[in-house]
Amino acid sequence: DGGITQSPKYLFRKEGQNVTLSCEQNLNHDAMYWYRQDPGQGLRLIYYSQIVNDFQKGDIAEGYSVSREKKESFPLTVTSAQKNPTAFYLCASSMSRTQHFGDGTRLSIL
Amino acid sequence: GENVEQHPSTLSVQEGDSAVIKCTYSDSASNYFPWYKQELGKGPQLIIDIRSNVGEKKDQRIAVTLNKTAKHFSLHITETQPEDSAVYFCAASGDSSYKLIFGSGTRLLVRP
Repeated sequence: DGGITQSPKYLFRKEGQNVTLSCEQNLNHDAMYWYRQDPGQGLRLIYYSQIVNDFQKGDIAEGYSVSREKKESFPLTVTSAQKNPTAFYLCASSMSRTQHFGDGTRLSIL
Repeated sequence: GENVEQHPSTLSVQEGDSAVIKCTYSDSASNYFPWYKQELGKGPQLIIDIRSNVGEKKDQRIAVTLNKTAKHFSLHITETQPEDSAVYFCAASGDSSYKLIFGSGTRLLVRP
C-alpha cells in the first residue's frame, strides 16, 4: 500500500544526545515536511523540502536538522541544542496542495 | 505572518446533532483551506478541503463554507456519530508555497 511510514513510534532521548527520526514515503511525492505537535496546540512546521537535495527552514527550525538525499526519505535529527524536544513529531508529503501525514513519532526525554 | 485562529477548543454534542467548528485567517492571499481529523495516536487525515474560488463544498455529512470577505471558514458535521469523536484542525495556505498554517485544534466529543 502507498503511504508514509514513520519510525520508531516511540523514542527516548538522553541529555546531550542527538536522535534521528525516520520518514519514508512511497507515494512518489516531491515535497516532504516535518511538523511538531504539542498538547493543545496545532502543528508547527520545522523543515520542508520541495525537491531532492533542497530544504528550507520552517517556523521552529532551531535545534533540528534534516537531509533530503533521496526522494523517498526525509529524516529529522533532533540535536542536543533543542532544549525542549518532548513532543509528537509528524512527517507529511505532498504532490500538490494536499498533504498526507504519517502516524508520528513520540519523543520523550529520559 | 499568517495566523489561523480556531474555535471552540472543545465541543461536546449529542449523537445525531450537528457540530460546527470555525476558523479565521489573517492573510488575505490565502486560497487553500483543508480540514484534518486526528484520532488518538495517529497522524491527521484530510477530510475535506476548499479553494477560494468556491464558497461551499459538501461531502456526505461534512461541509465546509468559506467567507473570503470576512476571512473565515467553517466545518459543519451533520448527524454526528460517536466515530466522529476526534481532534479537528483547520489550516490555510497561499500561492507562494505549499506551507500550511494550522489552527490550534478542536476536540469533538459525540455522546452516544
